[in-house]
Amino acid sequence: SQTIHQWPATLVQPVGSPLSLECTVEGTSNPNLYWYRQAAGRGLQLLFYSVGIGQISSEVPQNLSASRPQDRQFILSSKKLLLSDSGFYLCAWNQGPVTEAFFGQGTRLTVV
Amino acid sequence: AQSVAQPEDQVNVAEGNPLTVKCTYSVSGNPYLFWYVQYPNRGLQFLLKYITGDNLVKGSYGFEAEFNKSQTSFHLKKPSALVSDSALYFCAVSPPYNQGGKLIFGQGTELSVKP
Repeated sequence: SQTIHQWPATLVQPVGSPLSLECTVEGTSNPNLYWYRQAAGRGLQLLFYSVGIGQISSEVPQNLSASRPQDRQFILSSKKLLLSDSGFYLCAWNQGPVTEAFFGQGTRLTVV
Repeated sequence: AQSVAQPEDQVNVAEGNPLTVKCTYSVSGNPYLFWYVQYPNRGLQFLLKYITGDNLVKGSYGFEAEFNKSQTSFHLKKPSALVSDSALYFCAVSPPYNQGGKLIFGQGTELSVKP
């Protein structure tokens, strides 16, 4: 069966520090992968999505970046965190536009 | 550009009463539409989807949704609400295959079901 792993679950980082959040998917191949940010427990903002290895589409200009070094691995990074980067980050995957997406359990990032 | 709107931040319903959570969309071509539910501090869970065919789709936990192309809506419904249905609900849209892989969500509607 397919599973998605996202870690860490919580993270407290000082302003200006780097960030690396990792997401891996098991039990499927060539998934579409997504990073979302959810602020204040409400709307989901699409940050990045990828339809294949090395193919990253950025939705919102910001100091975050994403990479897909392997088919089922999606990494969200920052060189220097800002206070405004705090939020709940969710990784998700699907097999194309007609299939439902499966979400990781999320990472709550607090930048202090 | 594709977009999804959920006009109500919050919906309050008494247990046993029917519930409706509204969603409208804007997509070029035929959309693929989804509903998800989120419980506190968790990821989203899939409820149901509309791809093609019958405008009324049935999903998990007794939920259903009606696709209305003329009104560009995809409202979520349940005939009899339960207290355990209280959660945050998201409508989402995928564009057709030839428009890439984006999955766009609405801003969410908080459903509160009171005993």
